[in-house]
Amino acid sequence: GDSVTQMEGPVTLSEEAFLTINCTYTATGYPSLFWYVQYPGEGLQLLLKATKADDKGSNKGFEATYRKETTSFHLEKGSVQVSDSAVYFCALGSNYQLIWGAGTKLIIKP
Amino acid sequence: GAGVSQSPSNKVTEKGKDVELRCDPISGHTALYWYRQSLGQGLEFLIYFQGNSAPDKSGLPSDRFSAERTGGSVSTLTIQRTQQEDSAVYLCASSLVRGQWNTEAFFGQGTRLTVV
Repeated sequence: GDSVTQMEGPVTLSEEAFLTINCTYTATGYPSLFWYVQYPGEGLQLLLKATKADDKGSNKGFEATYRKETTSFHLEKGSVQVSDSAVYFCALGSNYQLIWGAGTKLIIKP
Repeated sequence: GAGVSQSPSNKVTEKGKDVELRCDPISGHTALYWYRQSLGQGLEFLIYFQGNSAPDKSGLPSDRFSAERTGGSVSTLTIQRTQQEDSAVYLCASSLVRGQWNTEAFFGQGTRLTVV
């Protein structure tokens, strides 16, 4: 079945560092791909999405490109801030379900 | 309402007791989903509603779990004879129509269930 694998955390970085959180997927067909973010004490929020191969999703300085050839959707940000500290989830839209990765906790130190 | 509302936000219950978790989706959203988030784990699909019917209940972990939705709006997830392994955060989400993940699904803040 469809699945999502993302890098384990926690990931700890200093402010202004470059961020990459890896996400790879296994799917039949052509799913949509998503990154969700969960800030401390808050609900899940959609961060960005891509609906077809080579699409780039972007929001709040974060980017991810839907790579069909490598079945990946890695999350990147050029310069992280303390306020980016959260748990990030990669997800795949399969029919009416979202298939989730395990989440990656990101800690940004000032 | 302005967003997906879940209640209670926290629930501590004794092993063996029944609990009811409530989800009030965004008005007009026909699709409603329940997920479970255990510590250090990803989200586990439980059940999906389209209107008042549940085409897919395959994610419910056991027959102690049940859910209903009335009036195409509020949904209740019931766990009977709770066990310690039921402890988790239960999340509800809604969207305009089924499978509309590529627009946006809105999540509630969850109910943290602790079975002692």
